Amino acid sequence: AQTVTQSQPEMSVQEAETVTLSCTYDTSESDYYLFWYKQPPSRQMILVIRQEAYKQQNATENRFSVNFQKAAKSFSLKISDSQLGDAAMYFCAYRSMDSNYQLIWGAGTKLIIKP
Amino acid sequence: DSGVTQTPKHLITATGQRVTLRCSPRSGDLSVYWYQQSLDQGLQFLIQYYNGEERAKGNILERFSAQQFPDLHSELNLSSLELGDSALYFCASSVGGLGGPGNTIYFGEGSWLTVV
Repeated sequence: AQTVTQSQPEMSVQEAETVTLSCTYDTSESDYYLFWYKQPPSRQMILVIRQEAYKQQNATENRFSVNFQKAAKSFSLKISDSQLGDAAMYFCAYRSMDSNYQLIWGAGTKLIIKP
Repeated sequence: DSGVTQTPKHLITATGQRVTLRCSPRSGDLSVYWYQQSLDQGLQFLIQYYNGEERAKGNILERFSAQQFPDLHSELNLSSLELGDSALYFCASSVGGLGGPGNTIYFGEGSWLTVV
């Protein structure tokens, strides 16, 4: 069974600085999708970025980018020019290629932005 | 705004009672998912429907049930409520179930359930 591990329960960064959140996963599949979701204090779950495993190019969405290392089964999220509004829980998720395509979630990393 | 609509946003009820949470998926999405998130915990997958049929079951209690209607909206029924059922219940939707794993899952804002 696939698993997702986020080893950093909490991270803090100074406003305008760059921070990287770690995510590793375990799978025997070769094709899958990876996602980062953000959950601010409002508790709404917001998609930040997604990565297709068959694409070698790292996904980028404005200030958010990923470092996808397929062989190492690593999928880190880099947030550049951190803003106060980035403060949230960040969840890494894996979507399987099995028939149900379920999301498998990491435990989350709480990101604190220091003004 | 993800396009997924959940009602009610907040609900307080007593132990032993029954409640129904409602979800309207994004326009065009055939799959609906229900998740439970207890305080300071990750998401627990409950159940998935695709075009009216149950596709997958997660850690859903027997006291809970769900269905997806012909118009694709879904309802999650929670009965014989216990204090431990207090949580944020998310509905999410995606285009596929069969459409491929890349179909992104979009979440509603959640329904806060407090059992007292």
